Amino acid sequence: GAGVSQTPSNKVTEKGKYVELRCDPISGHTALYWYRQSLGQGPEFLIYFQGTGAADDSGLPNDRFFAVRPEGSVSTLKIQRTERGDSAVYLCASRAAGEGELFFGEGSRLTVL
Amino acid sequence: AQSVTQPDIHITVSEGASLELRCNYSYGATPYLFWYVQSPGQGLQLLLKYFSGDTLVQGIKGFEAEFKRSQSSFNLRKPSVHWSDAAEYFCAVALSYNTDKLIFGTGTRLQVFP
Repeated sequence: GAGVSQTPSNKVTEKGKYVELRCDPISGHTALYWYRQSLGQGPEFLIYFQGTGAADDSGLPNDRFFAVRPEGSVSTLKIQRTERGDSAVYLCASRAAGEGELFFGEGSRLTVL
Repeated sequence: AQSVTQPDIHITVSEGASLELRCNYSYGATPYLFWYVQSPGQGLQLLLKYFSGDTLVQGIKGFEAEFKRSQSSFNLRKPSVHWSDAAEYFCAVALSYNTDKLIFGTGTRLQVFP
């Protein structure tokens, strides 16, 4: 597709469950970012991939959060033992090599009951 | 660590009025600065960016922003607001052009009255 695609757009789960959120970046974009946006807040950085490797994972809040990008394209954000505080919109963005602009998807809204 | 402050949580203006949204950053050197807009149910869209050179930058939708090093500010302006400009606006900073994460401010919600 032309833009960054995120699935699912909405996910409701129960506390303690495991969740996977998928991001399909713009074709050819080498860098991929995950952000989390809570209600009334700005996007909060989680992790950044350059190709297949995580270049910066300093924003992951704890070891329940993990992300992969095995082939340098699609990425999956994985959240184990979800907590109510994990409820937020998870945003994915991608960037072309040598460029500064991030292109964002519409996000995956996660609700933990 | 760098940070971004948007002092105004919510701004209301009348359609046709001028607009200025404030943004201040904290960083020792000159950062790379961005303004993004987020409309309900849509992804973040880049309005404009400053990397170097002319401190007054033009963006899409009639927006402009001015980088003022002495004030560590990057305020967004528009001379005449349209009802369709109602949205959330985020200022962001990065340490490098294309190898670093963006740090976002908390946003300013713009409401436009007819």
